[in-house]
Amino acid sequence: EPEVTQTPSHQVTQMGQEVILRCVPISNHLYFYWYRQILGQKVEFLVSFYNNEISEKSEIFDDQFSVERPDGSNFTLKIRSTKLEDSAMYFCASSERRNSPLHFGNGTRLTVT
Amino acid sequence: SQQGEEDPQALSIQEGENATMNCSYKTSINNLQWYRQNSGRGLVHLILIRSNEREKHSGRLRVTLDTSKKSSSLLITASRAADTASYFCATDNNNDMRFGAGTRLTVKP
Repeated sequence: EPEVTQTPSHQVTQMGQEVILRCVPISNHLYFYWYRQILGQKVEFLVSFYNNEISEKSEIFDDQFSVERPDGSNFTLKIRSTKLEDSAMYFCASSERRNSPLHFGNGTRLTVT
Repeated sequence: SQQGEEDPQALSIQEGENATMNCSYKTSINNLQWYRQNSGRGLVHLILIRSNEREKHSGRLRVTLDTSKKSSSLLITASRAADTASYFCATDNNNDMRFGAGTRLTVKP
């Protein structure tokens, strides 16, 4: 069964550095999402992406964050000037249609020191 | 913004018992979905119920939806130790799905 893949599985970075989290969504899916989950807490929506542009973003997704679909397969989340509070699991998801079931990757654990 | 809120936060039962988790939300929806998350893993879709449906079954899962009360419940019958996980409801919000904090279910063997 096709799956969403995320790399790396764990990223450690120093405060102030930039990180890029990578995702390969399921190939025939049209909608892409990033969520984050601070350890054991709620799954927070960051951004949704469709037709090569952001379709929705949350208040968390400020100028520090950006997303890109640089080619036909990858979907990336860039976090500039990371802060300690950015430490979390970051999940990528994709879906065939708007509001159809989401398929999640296994996440990237980001640790900012 | 629209999101589901699960209740209880944590639930501990013995294998073989039924587990019921509830979800409440605030505004109108097109559909409501339930997901499961094993520790440290991504969420896995379990079941989707549309706003015009009242009940849906999938194996040992039974989901109900009451749009007048803006609530849903997930029932897992004859629970197994392998059902131990966190369960989340998600509601559609324009162009994305919003999740609550989840119910952490522990099934003791």
